[in-house]
Amino acid sequence: ILNVEQSPQSLHVQEGDSTNFTCSFPSSNFYALHWYRWETAKSPEALFVMTLNGDEKKKGRISATLNTKEGYSYLYIKGSQPEDSATYLCAQGAQKLVFGQGTRLTINP
Amino acid sequence: DAGVIQSPRHEVTEMGQEVTLRCKPISGHDYLFWYRQTMMRGLELLIYFNNNVPIDDSGMPEDRFSAKMPNASFSTLKIQPSEPRDSAVYFCASREPGLAGYNEQFFGPGTRLTVL
Repeated sequence: ILNVEQSPQSLHVQEGDSTNFTCSFPSSNFYALHWYRWETAKSPEALFVMTLNGDEKKKGRISATLNTKEGYSYLYIKGSQPEDSATYLCAQGAQKLVFGQGTRLTINP
Repeated sequence: DAGVIQSPRHEVTEMGQEVTLRCKPISGHDYLFWYRQTMMRGLELLIYFNNNVPIDDSGMPEDRFSAKMPNASFSTLKIQPSEPRDSAVYFCASREPGLAGYNEQFFGPGTRLTVL
């Protein structure tokens, strides 16, 4: 059973500041790492799917890196905006994804 | 595309009643997943289907839970009899064909179930 852990559990950031958080996973039998963004009262939406060690993906002000050898991925948000407030989930697996508990990000105006 | 459709969006029922949750995946997607989200356990996979066939139901909590996918455009998750501890948000997600795990999952809006 895969154990996916995310830290911190919650984060408060001032608007305009940059931030980052971590997803840790067992490095053995790695297949793919997913990042999802989950706004309150909505459903999770995919940000990135990463498969190769050293992968870096970017979407606007959000980017992610992947280290499969040491079992971690970082998500970065540059110049945080209030609309970035959400829970960010990572998940690892193949057909079956195991999700972390998420990092709840709040951007203070 | 309308995305993944779930119904009902909210369900309030009394303990012991049967509850049926419905899901219509995105057309052309061949994987369908049922998840349950609770404060204590987060987002956990209950069961998933590939080409309408159940592949892994190891996350189904007990025999009171059952799921079916009679065709490519419809799936149900049934709880009979329901208990207060089943109260949660249930999500359905679908994924397009391709290398497993390489494609993102698309989530429906969820069904918020309250069992009194």
